[in-house]
Amino acid sequence: EVQLVQSGAEVKKPGESLKISCKASGYSFTSYWIGWVRQMPGKGLEWMGIIFPGDSDTRYSPSFQGQVTISADKSISTAYVQWSSLKASDTAMYYCARSLRVAKHFDSWGQGTLVTVSS
Amino acid sequence: DIVLTQSPATLSLSPGERATLSCGASQSVSSNYLAWYQQKPGLAPRLLIYDASRGATGIPDRFSGSGSGTDFTLTISRLEPEDFAVYYCQQYGNSPPTFGGGTKVEIK
Repeated sequence: EVQLVQSGAEVKKPGESLKISCKASGYSFTSYWIGWVRQMPGKGLEWMGIIFPGDSDTRYSPSFQGQVTISADKSISTAYVQWSSLKASDTAMYYCARSLRVAKHFDSWGQGTLVTVSS
Repeated sequence: DIVLTQSPATLSLSPGERATLSCGASQSVSSNYLAWYQQKPGLAPRLLIYDASRGATGIPDRFSGSGSGTDFTLTISRLEPEDFAVYYCQQYGNSPPTFGGGTKVEIK
C-alpha cells in the first residue's frame, strides 16, 4: 500500500526556520516525483513545486521560487520542504503528494502538516 | 499561468440527484491534462479523474469526467451522502500546474 506520512503540526514565530517532512513507503521512492501543495486557511490548493528523488531534479512554481526549498533523502525515502525565515502568511496546511511524472496528476497524498506562524 | 475557473462556487443538491461541475481554463490545456480531486473537511484531497476522463483506481463509476481544450466537466450521476464535499480541478499540461478555486457540493 502506498503511504505518505507527514511530520506533525508546527507552531513557529515569524523569522524562524522550519523543515517539514514526508516519508514514503509501499513503492519505489526513486521512481516517482513528490510534489508539495499549500492550502491556506479556508482557501483552495496551490502547487508549490516538485522533486524527483532519483536524481533530485526539482521544479518550482514561480510563486514559490526563492520562498521555499524542496529536497529529498532517498536513503530514508523522505522528502522535505523548508523555510529559512517564516512569515505569518506561510500559515497553512501543506500536503505532499506523489506523481508519476513532473507534469502529471497526484495519485496519492499525505495527510497534511499544519504550519502556524504567529508572534 | 493558466487560470482555472470553477463554477458554480456552491452547488446545493439532494442525495440521488445529478451533479454537474464545470472547470474553465484561460487557455487550452495541453493534451487535456486535467484532473479532478475531492476534498472532505479535515482530510487530504483524493484523486477522482485524470487526463480529463480516466477514472482513478477505486473510484465509483458514478464519477465521470469529460471535456477538452478549455472546458471540462465532472459529473456525479447520482449523489451519495458521502459525495458532499469540495471538488477541485487541476491542469498539469502547462507549466506551472494550477488548481481551480473549488466547487462545494452541499446538501440541499
